[in-house]
Amino acid sequence: QVQLQESGPGLVKPSETLSLTCTVSGGSISSYYWSWIRQPPGKGLEWIGYIYYSGNTNYSPSLKSRVTISVDTSKNQFSLKLTSVTAADTAVYYCARGGMIVDYWGQGALVTVSS
Amino acid sequence: QAGLTQPPSVSKGLRQTATLTCTGNSNNVGNQGAAWLQQHQGHPPKLLSYRNNNRPSGISERFSASRSGNTASLTITGLQPEDEADYYCSAWDSSLSALVFGGGTKLTVL
Repeated sequence: QVQLQESGPGLVKPSETLSLTCTVSGGSISSYYWSWIRQPPGKGLEWIGYIYYSGNTNYSPSLKSRVTISVDTSKNQFSLKLTSVTAADTAVYYCARGGMIVDYWGQGALVTVSS
Repeated sequence: QAGLTQPPSVSKGLRQTATLTCTGNSNNVGNQGAAWLQQHQGHPPKLLSYRNNNRPSGISERFSASRSGNTASLTITGLQPEDEADYYCSAWDSSLSALVFGGGTKLTVL
């Protein structure tokens, strides 16, 4: 069974860059789309973007100017960078398998933006 | 970005049937259909169905999905205490080239 695990700093200062990595185990990262989705505390889900294992990406129009998703097939990992963060970016960040339909999800990583 | 519309809350009795709705437009629900996710407090979402009524392996037949026009529905029969959770719909929006979500429905099993 595919498992996903997010890792990265839990606290980021305003105006800095949020960086998270998702490690995929129990299956190959190849031949699939991989997504990042976030959920502010007590609120709903927001799609950030996805990457195909070959490197093609698609980002949310509202975050596009600040987001970069990359993939490292040799490590079975994909990553998220979100620049110029503010308190509004505080959320649980999930990595997941799939692009248009997301089936497997990581446990989520809470990232707080605060000085 | 534009999202899908879900009622904030639904309450039903034990062993009853609940039907949750998700309204979008012709670019998303009406085009590609919807997926449904269940999320218990403190846990990641779990996929219940996709493209209207395809269930992943291991999902109970008590969960069934359908679509009529731009509105998708999730019907849960024989409600159990463990069905109490937040339910989200999602759909690919071909106009936005983005995955859009509903705001979620909190299902309470009385």
